[in-house]
Amino acid sequence: QKEVEQNSGPLSVPEGAIASLNCTYSDRVSQSFFWYRQYSGKSPELIMSIYSNGDKEDGRFTAQLNKASQYVSLLIRDSQPSDSATYLCAVITGGFKTIFGAGTRLFVKA
Amino acid sequence: DGGITQSPKYLFRKEGQNVTLSCEQNLNHDAMYWYRQDPGQGLRLIYYSQIVNDFQKGDIAEGYSVSREKKESFPLTVTSAQKNPTAFYLCASSNRENYGYTFGSGTRLTVV
Repeated sequence: QKEVEQNSGPLSVPEGAIASLNCTYSDRVSQSFFWYRQYSGKSPELIMSIYSNGDKEDGRFTAQLNKASQYVSLLIRDSQPSDSATYLCAVITGGFKTIFGAGTRLFVKA
Repeated sequence: DGGITQSPKYLFRKEGQNVTLSCEQNLNHDAMYWYRQDPGQGLRLIYYSQIVNDFQKGDIAEGYSVSREKKESFPLTVTSAQKNPTAFYLCASSNRENYGYTFGSGTRLTVV
């Protein structure tokens, strides 16, 4: 089992829809969780961080964390073609090591 | 503006040659990292440093070396011992262990 797992996609959604990206992790004592967006040919950019159970909203982005289920998700409301990118989930484990998932490719169709 | 600067953006290496990738940050971050990304792959940690004059091997350190003589700088040398160096190299920094990373714009290294 990989330490951080994401569906590689591609996930395709129409413009204006909600895109839902999911991530599971194996270390039960993981403490911090991040979502990065990486456009093709570019470096990753931090877009959301979440540290406690529940939802955290920032503009069109909502991060959701459920530590009991070892699950973190990113919702993108009103998806735009400019949201088309690869989204990386990252987890800081109990050993204070950052583990990245392989990423989910998102396509938003105009 | 604060950030991380990587140079060069593109680098070509001949067989048997050592090359050095530069990474400089003005964010006053303590920790710095080097990752490698291959096409369609995730990020793999090469080396990291949490304080000046100290660094640790990551998951794929063989064929690479680093130094951390200044807080702002964390250069990566790709040695001739690295047999498959063609990849996208990313430098990152963070100010605490539980904070997210700021990435540089990356260096694309190609063996010719």
